[in-house]
Amino acid sequence: DSGVTQTPKHLITATGQRVTLRCSPRSGDLSVYWYQQSLDQGLQFLIQYYNGEERAKGNILERFSAQQFPDLHSELNLSSLELGDSALYFCASSPAGGRAYEQYFGPGTRLTVT
Amino acid sequence: AQSVAQPEDQVNVAEGNPLTVKCTYSVSGNPYLFWYVQYPNRGLQFLLKYITGDNLVKGSYGFEAEFNKSQTSFHLKKPSALVSDSALYFCAVRDWRNQGGKLIFGQGTELSVKP
Repeated sequence: DSGVTQTPKHLITATGQRVTLRCSPRSGDLSVYWYQQSLDQGLQFLIQYYNGEERAKGNILERFSAQQFPDLHSELNLSSLELGDSALYFCASSPAGGRAYEQYFGPGTRLTVT
Repeated sequence: AQSVAQPEDQVNVAEGNPLTVKCTYSVSGNPYLFWYVQYPNRGLQFLLKYITGDNLVKGSYGFEAEFNKSQTSFHLKKPSALVSDSALYFCAVRDWRNQGGKLIFGQGTELSVKP
């Protein structure tokens, strides 16, 4: 158990809908990363937050957005869902300081868009 | 560009035999390299990392990896494979550009260990 929690574990929804994925980082970790794992794209970085502020952005679609709250949990919002958005979405967290390179992954949320 | 390549989609090994899962990288500057394992319907579990120092890095579950700067490789090894090692293995490099710290992953290698 990495200490990173994600909810829900599974999500099934229809095209055009909007969903919110939630992540709670390890206690004390300030950085949260979101990754998408799909069969055709592999594991891709989406976005990073550090202590409430956006730090880096990857190939994240404009239909997707994220935020990190004062209690450091993060949410990834996916809207106008398409079939191709079906994937496993991972959240990871890392500590500040000298061990900032360590990333601990949550169990993921499996999104199925029908 | 920063990138990681895992040249083999699948590696098949008999239980008790040594295993190697290959990884090569391309980065500017000193690489921070990682191996993660993913079991079915599970998240990514950290196995080991190379930051600096000894080129042979030891990690969890008896795995080790050898950093080779001249060949830009970071192959994962285990002297004696177990059936329970069967899983999907990812090599990754940390991307320090733009003040971020994202991981860039290889495409993954499916390891199958048969009894």
